[in-house]
Amino acid sequence: GENVEQHPSTLSVQEGDSAVIKCTYSDSASNYFPWYKQELGKRPQLIIDIRSNVGEKKDQRIAVTLNKTAKHFSLHITETQPEDSAVYFCAANNAGNMLTFGGGTRLMVKP
Amino acid sequence: DAGVTQSPTHLIKTRGQQVTLRCSPISGHKSVSWYQQVLGQGPQFIFQYYEKEERGRGNFPDRFSARQFPNYSSELNVNALLLGDSALYLCASSRGQGGGSFDTGELFFGEGSRLTVL
Repeated sequence: GENVEQHPSTLSVQEGDSAVIKCTYSDSASNYFPWYKQELGKRPQLIIDIRSNVGEKKDQRIAVTLNKTAKHFSLHITETQPEDSAVYFCAANNAGNMLTFGGGTRLMVKP
Repeated sequence: DAGVTQSPTHLIKTRGQQVTLRCSPISGHKSVSWYQQVLGQGPQFIFQYYEKEERGRGNFPDRFSARQFPNYSSELNVNALLLGDSALYLCASSRGQGGGSFDTGELFFGEGSRLTVL
């Protein structure tokens, strides 16, 4: 089955700096790669996703890149703000809409 | 429109007991998935249902079972609870049909049911 690895597990940045989180996946058939943000005690919420027919997608301060050959994808957050502090999860699909999640990255943005 | 709703939000059980968790998907969504999230880890896939049929099952023992009703709501049952079953159980709904379909779209998660097994 699919295996998704995520790095780093914790990331501390200064407000205004950029943050990058990287994930690798194992199943070459995966074609949907969402990123979720989970604040303490809250549900995961989709922040951006990318499909395999696209190499990059951007939404304001957030961007995701996908390298299908290397089987890795990354989340980029620019101009970080304290409210970006949360746990971020990458995921990859297998058959249907079943997602395999990475282990999470705890992002801390210091004011 | 209401989002995905789950009940109960919190519950405490003892080892060996049974628990039933409930989920109502977003109106118009026909697919419901269940995930287990142990503290400090990413969610792990348990089940997916679409149109009342099981479309996928994760690597969980037979103590875990689920079903989907004609109104697309769903229940997750866990029998013979173990300490290791303590977790946040997340329900997610989506429009798509799953089962290998590419265009299944975003998963919308509920707030979860936090189960503590003593």
